Amino acid sequence: GNSVTQMEGPVTLSEEAFLTINCTYTATGYPSLFWYVQYPGEGLQLLLKATKADDKGSNKGFEATYRKETTSFHLEKGSVQVSDSAVYFCALPLRYGGSQGNLIFGKGTKLSVKP
Amino acid sequence: AAGVIQSPRHLIKEKRETATLKCYPIPRHDTVYWYQQGPGQDPQFLISFYEKMQSDKGSIPDRFSAQQFSDYHSELNMSSLELGDSALYFCASSSGQRGLQANVLTFGAGSRLTVL
Repeated sequence: GNSVTQMEGPVTLSEEAFLTINCTYTATGYPSLFWYVQYPGEGLQLLLKATKADDKGSNKGFEATYRKETTSFHLEKGSVQVSDSAVYFCALPLRYGGSQGNLIFGKGTKLSVKP
Repeated sequence: AAGVIQSPRHLIKEKRETATLKCYPIPRHDTVYWYQQGPGQDPQFLISFYEKMQSDKGSIPDRFSAQQFSDYHSELNMSSLELGDSALYFCASSSGQRGLQANVLTFGAGSRLTVL
């Protein structure tokens, strides 16, 4: 099956700092790639996705580019806010040819943004 | 907009007891997924259903079973509960098995099971 390796945290930043959370994957074929966010006490929410190589997913100021050469999908944001404090998960389908919604998640990166 | 509804939100059980979690997907979503998230862990895929049939199976223990009903809601049944079953159980739904929309999961808020 596929696998994902995500930079582990916790990550603590000051407001307006630049954020990068690294994610690399191993997969058969070219699966869709996702970033999910989990705010304290809540379920996971889709943050952004990319469905093919060189696609850039973006949402709420966050961006990630599907890089097949480096098998990476790093999450970036130019200026973080306190409200961005959450746990971020990189994800992709569990296996090639299986249901596209069965996902494998990275270990999660906890981001804390200080005022 | 309607979201994925899970019940109960919190459940406390003793070891060796049985628990049932329910999930009501977004209207017109035909696929349901169950995930287990232990404390401080990443979500682990348990099982999924498409059009009331099991479509894939992950790391679900034999003590657990699940099904999807004619109204597309799903129930996860857990028997002979162990301390290690204490976790947050998420249900998610999507539309279809293939294609881009199948990738877009909407998660519920989760059911927190505590086994004492």
